[in-house]
Amino acid sequence: DAKTTQPPSMDCAEGRAANLPCNHSTISGNEYVYWYRQIHSQGPQYIIHGLKNNETNEMASLIITEDRKSSTLILPHATLRDTAVYYCIVRVGLGGGSNYKLTFGKGTLLTVNP
Amino acid sequence: DAGVTQSPTHLIKTRGQQVTLRCSPKSGHDTVSWYQQALGQGPQFIFQYYEEEERQRGNFPDRFSGHQFPNYSSELNVNALLLGDSALYLCASSRQGLRNTEAFFGQGTRLTVV
Repeated sequence: DAKTTQPPSMDCAEGRAANLPCNHSTISGNEYVYWYRQIHSQGPQYIIHGLKNNETNEMASLIITEDRKSSTLILPHATLRDTAVYYCIVRVGLGGGSNYKLTFGKGTLLTVNP
Repeated sequence: DAGVTQSPTHLIKTRGQQVTLRCSPKSGHDTVSWYQQALGQGPQFIFQYYEEEERQRGNFPDRFSGHQFPNYSSELNVNALLLGDSALYLCASSRQGLRNTEAFFGQGTRLTVV
């Protein structure tokens, strides 16, 4: 499994952009970068994923470096409800199709302050 | 759409007992994965079921077993409970055949072994 490295914690002011970094220097060419978040005592929630192009959806943007060794998740206007643990995951395939498992690290605890 | 549902939400068991946790996948999903999350840690992959068979297994002892039913719902069984089995147990569902489909998680079952 490709390993990921994230800072254990970050702070962000409400209304500001939150930029969460992730290093994945051993990522393989066909592995995707996924981001999930987990609000206290709830199940993880999917945010976004990408292969090599930058991606954007209604929740966030994902910026992947050209060498694919790192990425940044951007929450453009953080709110108090965005306080959560954010996990950067490199997807490992178990077989054909979408038969994969997710390998979670400890993630980054993002605290959004008023 | 009810999403992924797990039952029960909380459970207290005595060391040495057996426990069964249940999961109903999101509508349209046919693959169920189980994860264990100890306090302060990220979720750890236990195993995955597809077409009523265990397809892949993480580093968990044989005391952990599972089953998938024809309606795609799944059970996780843990025998001879240890104090260290106390954790949040998460179920995630996904769909085969559609590449890069994200996994949807349930809210989990909090198991306490005393």
